[in-house]
Amino acid sequence: DVKVTQSSRYLVKRTGEKVFLECVQDMDHENMFWYRQDPGLGLRLIYFSYDVKMKEKGDIPEGYSVSREKKERFSLILESASTNQTSMYLCASSFFQGYGYTFGSGTRLTVV
Amino acid sequence: EDQVTQSPEALRLQEGESSSLNCSYTVSGLRGLFWYRQDPGKGPEFLFTLYSAGEEKEKERLKATLTKKESFLHITAPKPEDSATYLCAVFGSSNTGKLIFGQGTTLQVKP
Repeated sequence: DVKVTQSSRYLVKRTGEKVFLECVQDMDHENMFWYRQDPGLGLRLIYFSYDVKMKEKGDIPEGYSVSREKKERFSLILESASTNQTSMYLCASSFFQGYGYTFGSGTRLTVV
Repeated sequence: EDQVTQSPEALRLQEGESSSLNCSYTVSGLRGLFWYRQDPGKGPEFLFTLYSAGEEKEKERLKATLTKKESFLHITAPKPEDSATYLCAVFGSSNTGKLIFGQGTTLQVKP
């Protein structure tokens, strides 16, 4: 089975800190995605990547950046964390466009 | 614009009481409809993919069906362990690889 591993289950960071969320998949998937999930707002796409060093903005990219230097790893960066970025962050990958996603377990980030 | 609407938002059932969850979609050229289950504090877990109207998929107490405008997730004789949020997502010809998710239906099954 494909595994998508997110480096942390829980994180607490201070306002203004630079935060790195790491995601690794082990099945040579082309596509990787970062979502945030908030009560009442559902899943919102932050950034996605179709290939190494390629990235596309999703619906809510402001305040975030991403890096994909290797095919298996997709990092989400909060340049200067703010309290409104407190959320559940979910990484996903898919083999190809239109294939279903495999999700990681999520990272619950709290910014204080 | 492609859109997915799930109903109801929340559903409470007694153990053994069968019911259905609805996923209505508007998409140009459906290329796939996906159902996921999400337990609290965890990532969504894949359940089914449906590709064309009339298609059905089953897994234990769950059965997913698809028409040209909506999909249903039928739950037969549910058990408390079926309690979760169920998410529907679609992939259309204009989505450029992105799934469009609905808001989800939170199901609670009481013993």
